[in-house]
Amino acid sequence: EAQVTQNPRYLITVTGKKLTVTCSQNMNHEYMSWYRQDPGLGLRQIYYSMNVEVTDKGDVPEGYKVSRKEKRNFPLILESPSPNQTSLYFCASSFVPNTEAFFGQGTRLTVV
Amino acid sequence: QKEVEQDPGPLSVPEGAIVSLNCTYSNSAFQYFMWYRQYSRKGPELLMYTYSSGNKEDGRFTAQVDKSSKYISLFIRDSQPSDSATYLCAMSARYGGATNKLIFGTGTLLAVQP
Repeated sequence: EAQVTQNPRYLITVTGKKLTVTCSQNMNHEYMSWYRQDPGLGLRQIYYSMNVEVTDKGDVPEGYKVSRKEKRNFPLILESPSPNQTSLYFCASSFVPNTEAFFGQGTRLTVV
Repeated sequence: QKEVEQDPGPLSVPEGAIVSLNCTYSNSAFQYFMWYRQYSRKGPELLMYTYSSGNKEDGRFTAQVDKSSKYISLFIRDSQPSDSATYLCAMSARYGGATNKLIFGTGTLLAVQP
């Protein structure tokens, strides 16, 4: 089954404690991206990757890091989380950046 | 002004009604238009995908694109309680152009009452 898998689904953490949200896709997609979804603001792109070892900033990259060492995996790293990073996060993948994107189930992060 | 505007709703309709969901956009370079459905606590799932202008039908769903008016619509016929979700429009320009990514609307919350 074609899918994008994120882990964990829910996470509560404290300010400053480094965390990683994993994302994996099994569709051999080259393009992967991370979004955050906040009420009234919709989906905002954090980072994206065009291929292995190729990543770039999206619209709201501050406070986040990513890496793309393998085609299927695209983890999101919060080195020092802050409460304003409390949000719903989605990983997505597609063959090219501007067509159908497949989304993971989401990670609800709360930073206290 | 946002590139994509979408009424957040909520939109409440009785079961069996025809639902019309809409988005307007400002970038005339957009050529690819999508509708996503997002159930509560789930990721968005692709519902409809159209290229350029025209209509596309899939079961009870019809997507319409009017590029001259920069306006896209999603119609749901014979709406069901299971259609209750947030509907997101998304669009993009030709690959390799200046806007090389999907631009999303903020979503419309739809509730279909039994």
